[in-house]
Amino acid sequence: DVKVTQSSRYLVKRTGEKVFLECVQDMDHENMFWYRQDPGLGLRLIYFSYDVKMKEKGDIPEGYSVSREKKERFSLILESASTNQTSMYLCASSALAGGTDTQYFGPGTRLTVL
Amino acid sequence: TQLLEQSPQFLSIQEGENLTVYCNSSSVFSSLQWYRQEPGEGPVLLVTVVTGGEVKKLKRLTFQFGDARKDSSLHITAAQPGDTGLYLCAGLRAAGNKLTFGGGTRVLVKP
Repeated sequence: DVKVTQSSRYLVKRTGEKVFLECVQDMDHENMFWYRQDPGLGLRLIYFSYDVKMKEKGDIPEGYSVSREKKERFSLILESASTNQTSMYLCASSALAGGTDTQYFGPGTRLTVL
Repeated sequence: TQLLEQSPQFLSIQEGENLTVYCNSSSVFSSLQWYRQEPGEGPVLLVTVVTGGEVKKLKRLTFQFGDARKDSSLHITAAQPGDTGLYLCAGLRAAGNKLTFGGGTRVLVKP
């Protein structure tokens, strides 16, 4: 079974702090994604990566950056956390490019910025 | 403004009843996926529909992709408490390689 793990289930940070969210997948998938999920808005894509050291902006990249130094690991970085970044963050991976392939999601990290 | 609108946002029904969730857009999608998400978990893919007019069945769940590939529906027959969850549709834009998600429909099936 594909497994996508996220470093924390819950995280509380203060405004202005630098925040790292880690995601690891164990199926050698090429593609990895970071979404945020807010009630009524569904999932919105922040960044995705289709190869090591490669990244592309999603629909809402402002205030975020990412790092993919190894194939299995994709990190989301909030350089200076703000209260409007309080949200559920979901990581996903898929084997093939394009949306017809299955995306496998981690359990999510609920981030609260005070 | 959401590219994909789901309706209703919330649905509460008794076990054994039928329900339909709608996913609508003014944009054309090359494919559309439906996911179910349970509390504390990430979404899990249920189905992908690719062809306009396509109908797929997964036990008591029936998924339909509109002829014009702008809309989709999910119909659950004789719902059970295990069907409770957040249902999300996601479309692949014809000119892109990223999924666009709808706002989700929260379904509660009471025993």
